Amino acid sequence: QSALTQPRSVSGSPGQSVTIYCAGTDVDIGGSDRVSWYQKPPDKDPKLIIFDVTKRPSGVPDRFSGSRSGNTASLTISGLQGDDEADYYCCAYGGSFSLVFGGGTKLTVL
Amino acid sequence: VHLVESGGGLVPPGGSRRLSCVASGFSFDDFAMHWVRQAPGKGLEWVSGTKWNSRVKDYADFVKGRFTIFRDNAKNSLYLQMNSLEIEDTALYYCAKDVGLGNDEKFAMDVWGLGTMVTVSS
Repeated sequence: QSALTQPRSVSGSPGQSVTIYCAGTDVDIGGSDRVSWYQKPPDKDPKLIIFDVTKRPSGVPDRFSGSRSGNTASLTISGLQGDDEADYYCCAYGGSFSLVFGGGTKLTVL
Repeated sequence: VHLVESGGGLVPPGGSRRLSCVASGFSFDDFAMHWVRQAPGKGLEWVSGTKWNSRVKDYADFVKGRFTIFRDNAKNSLYLQMNSLEIEDTALYYCAKDVGLGNDEKFAMDVWGLGTMVTVSS
């Protein structure tokens, strides 16, 4: 159950796009379609923004998109806005009803 | 749709604590549930999860043998019994609902509580 690997920080200017990568193994990221992403602003609860690798829950804007290549998942945020500034976490099913999170990536909107 | 956790507090190392989570606004017994924690200044960590019917449960390696997850569907409640607490267990503990219905778990969490803080310290 090793944590998934994310960059500690990324940044972008308003209107730009940023991509956050999440590296795992063929047990977790590459092992099933149960890959999700969460947005967590400081002192607020986590918000689900992507599940099943690419799906968006109702109400999440299509500026947020997910994908996967092999054992690496990615979250792309296009048309960056100020309130996108938050910590982002990837998460994957690790087998046997377990989950594993990434270490989190701090997004700064310049 | 709400989840409300309770039971946090200050606990000495080696002590025990039971966390509770009461659900409202959805059919609690139709969904898998999870506990996730965040230590001060650290990231999110999955702690434990249980299937809607309690038939399958699992734990993160760092709590196996010390924590027990259980649920009472008649009371719309999820619990986490924490024993042999360590200083490293200090964290905000969240209760969270799985997206998937019944046996179609998505292992993604779409409803979260506000969390309950557990501090392990002498």
